[in-house]
Amino acid sequence: SQTIHQWPATLVQPVGSPLSLECTVEGTSNPNLYWYRQAAGRGLQLLFYSVGIGQISSEVPQNLSASRPQDRQFILSSKKLLLSDSGFYLCAWNRGLDEQFFGPGTRLTVL
Amino acid sequence: GENVGLHLPTLSVQEGDNSIINCAYSNSASDYFIWYKQESGKGPQFIIDIRSNMDKRQGQRVTVLLNKTVKHLSLQIAATQPGDSAVYFCAENMAGAGSYQLTFGKGTKLSVIP
Repeated sequence: SQTIHQWPATLVQPVGSPLSLECTVEGTSNPNLYWYRQAAGRGLQLLFYSVGIGQISSEVPQNLSASRPQDRQFILSSKKLLLSDSGFYLCAWNRGLDEQFFGPGTRLTVL
Repeated sequence: GENVGLHLPTLSVQEGDNSIINCAYSNSASDYFIWYKQESGKGPQFIIDIRSNMDKRQGQRVTVLLNKTVKHLSLQIAATQPGDSAVYFCAENMAGAGSYQLTFGKGTKLSVIP
């Protein structure tokens, strides 16, 4: 069966510090991978998606970036965090254009 | 722009009653719809989906209804249980157009009263 992992589960970072969140998927190959952000009490906002190694599509201009160094690894990064980057970050995967399966999420607090 | 929204932000139901969560969408090109359940501090969990060539689909204790005429989607939960308490999101996609983007509504919080 397929599983998706995210770490860390929680993170507290000062403004201006760098960020690296990691997502890995097991049990499948060549998945589509997604990064979402969810503000408190709100819906999910798509940040990036990737259909293959090295292929990244950005949906929202911001100070975040994404990379896919391996088939089942998706990384969300920032060089300098802003207060507004606080939120719940979710990674998801699918094989086609159907339902996406979500990871457990990372709670990021920028102080 | 076009988006997916929800009629009710919160819903409280008695344990054992049926729950109905509603969702309105405005993108007539959307052809694939999903309901997710999200418990506090966790990622969304897939519940059920439906394509635009259907108007009803049933799962275990859940039914999704799609009314394309009025662009309305609903999730019915039979015999609601305390474990059903969560935030429910609808999402839409133009899968037929090759879109990778799911557009999510804001969510409805379901509270089950024991």
